[in-house]
Amino acid sequence: DAEITQSPRHKITETGRQVTLACHQTWNHNNMFWYRQDLGHGLRLIHYSYGVHDTNKGEVSDGYSVSRSNTEDLPLTLESAASSQTSVYFCASSRDRVAEAFFGQGTRLTVV
Amino acid sequence: DQQVKQNSPSLSVQEGRISILNCDYTNSMFDYFLWYKKYPAEGPTFLISISSIKDKNEDGRFTVFLNKSAKHLSLHIVPSQPGDSAVYFCGENRDDKIIFGKGTRLHILP
Repeated sequence: DAEITQSPRHKITETGRQVTLACHQTWNHNNMFWYRQDLGHGLRLIHYSYGVHDTNKGEVSDGYSVSRSNTEDLPLTLESAASSQTSVYFCASSRDRVAEAFFGQGTRLTVV
Repeated sequence: DQQVKQNSPSLSVQEGRISILNCDYTNSMFDYFLWYKKYPAEGPTFLISISSIKDKNEDGRFTVFLNKSAKHLSLHIVPSQPGDSAVYFCGENRDDKIIFGKGTRLHILP
């Protein structure tokens, strides 16, 4: 079955370290997204991509970057982790504008 | 400025009764609104959507109503069941990306 997977599921890192969260989907979807979920803020869009080599900033992109070298993967990199980036991160993908997005199980990141 | 607003952080409803979750939006141009449901420690899952050209969409126990003049949409769940206890996110799909509200936590009481 096609799916979207995130790794790791849990990570603890130190302030200032570079961290990369992986997202892999097997639906061959063009659109991929990264969100973070925080209490009182809901789901906020970090970065998104409409296809290979396309990346766009979302609502809260500062301190984050993404790259899209193939259809299946959209890794999210925290250049220099900060305590404010402690959150649960969700990756999602969708086929096109009329289709709903499918979410991964999430990665809980703690920056100490 | 928040584009999609869910002004009720939580809602408690008796099992068997109707649950009504509300969402307000600011932009007039959009393609779709979607509702997602989220259980703890899981990713959000798609529930139901409505396009900008419709006023209502129904799927089993779930109905979404769109009032374009008031820039308001609502999700009705009838009858409410214990498994409906979750956080519900309203999302605006515009330009192929979804912007979500802050969510409403629904508690179904026995």
